[in-house]
Amino acid sequence: SQTIHQWPATLVQPVGSPLSLECTVEGTSNPNLYWYRQAAGRGLQLLFYSVGIGQISSEVPQNLSASRPQDRQFILSSKKLLLSDSGFYLCARAGRAGVNTEAFFGQGTRLTVV
Amino acid sequence: SQQGEEDPQALSIQEGENATMNCSYKTSINNLQWYRQNSGRGLVHLILIRSNEREKHSGRLRVTLDTSKKSSSLLITASRAADTASYFCATVLLGGSARQLTFGSGTQLTVLP
Repeated sequence: SQTIHQWPATLVQPVGSPLSLECTVEGTSNPNLYWYRQAAGRGLQLLFYSVGIGQISSEVPQNLSASRPQDRQFILSSKKLLLSDSGFYLCARAGRAGVNTEAFFGQGTRLTVV
Repeated sequence: SQQGEEDPQALSIQEGENATMNCSYKTSINNLQWYRQNSGRGLVHLILIRSNEREKHSGRLRVTLDTSKKSSSLLITASRAADTASYFCATVLLGGSARQLTFGSGTQLTVLP
């Protein structure tokens, strides 16, 4: 199974409030994990990726952070949300077999910051 | 900046017609992948084509890759209303790893019944 559990599906948060989005994955151990953000009608922007527990790489400077406390758990956080943090957040995993592997996505979280 | 850019941004066709979407990229790649996204959902992998391949088929899908032009096309034959979705190309850079999966901005396909 390559199932990815991502929750909540939708979230409305006030500006300045904290954020915690959780993603857990099934399947082979030690996967590469990703957080993407998608603005309305746009492509995916890679926010963070992780190749192992405690190993986080950030692609763009931003108001968000990520953590990987367990092999199959990837968390996206913010201490104080901004209006510009609104978007559709997607967690994904890719295999460890090499570069010629596909990515599997969760169903996403629609975040609206008001 | 986006590595892959899809063209057209939006495409509307009648059921039964073929739909062709194109993707251009900037730097040398290891492979190129196509994904589908239904509205408000996650992405689903459709097909992967490696840099040493020129064409690949999967059911009603046909993908071509021209590394000299740095472009790929996705053809959906005999389209159905259920094919209505956004389609994205994604690239893995040459020498990169799976962490460098970069997506384009997508083509919104609408298939009219």
